[in-house]
Amino acid sequence: EDKVVQSPLSLVVHEGDTVTLNCSYEVTNFRSLLWYKQEKKAPTFLFMLTSSGIEKKSGRLSSILDKKELFSILNITATQTGDSAVYLCAVGSSNTGKLIFGQGTTLQVKP
Amino acid sequence: EAEVAQSPRYKITEKSQAVAFWCDPISGHATLYWYRQILGQGPELLVQFQDESVVDDSQLPKDRFSAERLKGVDSTLKIQPAELGDSAMYLCASSSRAGQGSYEQYFGPGTRLTVT
Repeated sequence: EDKVVQSPLSLVVHEGDTVTLNCSYEVTNFRSLLWYKQEKKAPTFLFMLTSSGIEKKSGRLSSILDKKELFSILNITATQTGDSAVYLCAVGSSNTGKLIFGQGTTLQVKP
Repeated sequence: EAEVAQSPRYKITEKSQAVAFWCDPISGHATLYWYRQILGQGPELLVQFQDESVVDDSQLPKDRFSAERLKGVDSTLKIQPAELGDSAMYLCASSSRAGQGSYEQYFGPGTRLTVT
């Protein structure tokens, strides 16, 4: 059965800290891995990764994929209170575009 | 900026009643997805449309749930009768293409359903 597992499930840090969120997967017909940020509303797209070893970067956020070890990490440097959210990892499987989501990591950044 | 539209945003209903949710994807997006997200979990795909055709409804509880996208644009998800366990956020997403699974999906604001 396809599955996506995120760790930790929750994390509390202080502003300025750097955090690393983990996503491991066991999915047949892997096509892509996506990261989303979800505040008290719908998920918003952050990154899509399809190739190993190529870092995607946007401001203080960056992500990388390892297709050999079947995991991805999302790094956030110099965290701010506005980074507080649930971060979802999803894997695109097969040729239909179906996404399989992990359970999410809840990040709380304290002032 | 184009967005996925959903309505209503919130719905409270009694068990055994019928409910319906509406979604209008980003213009030109051929693929439309309905997800259910239970509190504390990631979204779970219920049904996927490519234009007006169902591509995947393997996780849709077909005894009570139905979905349609008659003209290949907007879509309706219906639950009849609603049960207490249906309380969740129902998310609609769209993408410009499907196939190869490499296209990002854009989500609407969701409908939060509470069944009492």
